[in-house]
Amino acid sequence: EAGVVQSPRYKIIEKKQPVAFWCNPISGHNTLYWYRQNLGQGPELLIRYENEEAVDDSQLPKDRFSAERLKGVDSTLKIQPAELGDSAVYLCASSLDSEAFFGQGTRLTVV
Amino acid sequence: KNEVEQSPQNLTAQEGEFITINCSYSVGISALHWLQQHPGGGIVSLFMLSSGKKKHGRLIATINIQEKHSSLHITASHPRDSAVYICAVSNTGNQFYFGTGTSLTVIP
Repeated sequence: EAGVVQSPRYKIIEKKQPVAFWCNPISGHNTLYWYRQNLGQGPELLIRYENEEAVDDSQLPKDRFSAERLKGVDSTLKIQPAELGDSAVYLCASSLDSEAFFGQGTRLTVV
Repeated sequence: KNEVEQSPQNLTAQEGEFITINCSYSVGISALHWLQQHPGGGIVSLFMLSSGKKKHGRLIATINIQEKHSSLHITASHPRDSAVYICAVSNTGNQFYFGTGTSLTVIP
């Protein structure tokens, strides 16, 4: 079975442009996470979904970030407009019974 | 203060050496996870444990619940073990807390 699938793997955009990331979790995993990871740091939670409900979005910068998980399966994370400081790796993870599985991440570079 | 602290932050070893990475946590947990991240790659789960010890190949993970401490050991280290190793804990509310990672370099 495929693991957590993310796309794109890499994205380079100019500042002030919009960008979107997509994640398809492992089938049957109700919990989905979006994390941002800066170089040399651990992942930082942006948003956590239980099925289609966002249960923890306290760290999501809502002025420019948005996320959705329609039908409680795959999810998109959007940044509009992007800023230079948004350059990071964006990781999606899904979990079942406390075990988390991570996607390959999307490396975003804002220039 | 971070909920999860790892040490060392960086580690360089000669091929064949025995390696230990330590992790301490300060929150209640349902499980502790050891994760591996290669440069440019995603994160792979190595172990999930809530008590005792687990072994997979040359990797061993232990946890002491009373002391809120875990260790990841690598025996007979190899250059392909070079990666960032991240300790994370999870609770019954599906929340995860991550350490900042230990960057391991194994020199041939």
